[in-house]
Amino acid sequence: GENVEQHPSTLSVQEGDSAVIKCTYSDSASNYFPWYKQELGKRPQLIIDIRSNVGEKKDQRIAVTLNKTAKHFSLHITETQPEDSAVYFCAASVNDMRFGAGTRLTVKP
Amino acid sequence: SAVISQKPSRDICQRGTSLTIQCQVDSQVTMMFWYRQQPGQSLTLIATANQGSEATYESGFVIDKFPISRPNLTFSTLTVSNMSPEDSSIYLCSVGGDLGNTIYFGEGSWLTVV
Repeated sequence: GENVEQHPSTLSVQEGDSAVIKCTYSDSASNYFPWYKQELGKRPQLIIDIRSNVGEKKDQRIAVTLNKTAKHFSLHITETQPEDSAVYFCAASVNDMRFGAGTRLTVKP
Repeated sequence: SAVISQKPSRDICQRGTSLTIQCQVDSQVTMMFWYRQQPGQSLTLIATANQGSEATYESGFVIDKFPISRPNLTFSTLTVSNMSPEDSSIYLCSVGGDLGNTIYFGEGSWLTVV
């Protein structure tokens, strides 16, 4: 089955800096790659996603890149703000969703 | 996105008892899934709830421990049976497939077993 690895497990940045989280996947059949943000005590919320026929997607301060050949994808957050502090999960999907271990992002004011 | 309601939102349960979690969606969906999130951990797929047939369980999860019902395209239940403290987790219902692979989560059911 699909195996998703995510790095780093924790990330601390200064407000205004950029943050990058990286994931790799094992199943070349995976065709959908979402990113979720989970704030303390809340459910995971979809923040951006990318499909296998696209190399990059951007939505305001967040962007995701996908390298199908290398089977890795990354989340980029620019101009980070304290409210970006949360746990971020990457996932990969063919018919069901498999999640990475998560990255705890802390943005220091 | 679909509106997904879960009940209960939170409960404290006695060791050895069972608890049933309900998941209601405001529209018909083909795919419904149940995930577990242990404290500080990632989301682990328990099973796919299939409408009109037995659920499909992931490795490490069995029907006797986590029986699932899916009587129609908008509703599912997950029972956590004979609970132990190791079952203390967030249990999340999710839907996808009909929404183009995107998975959306219910609010989650926070279970603490004492």
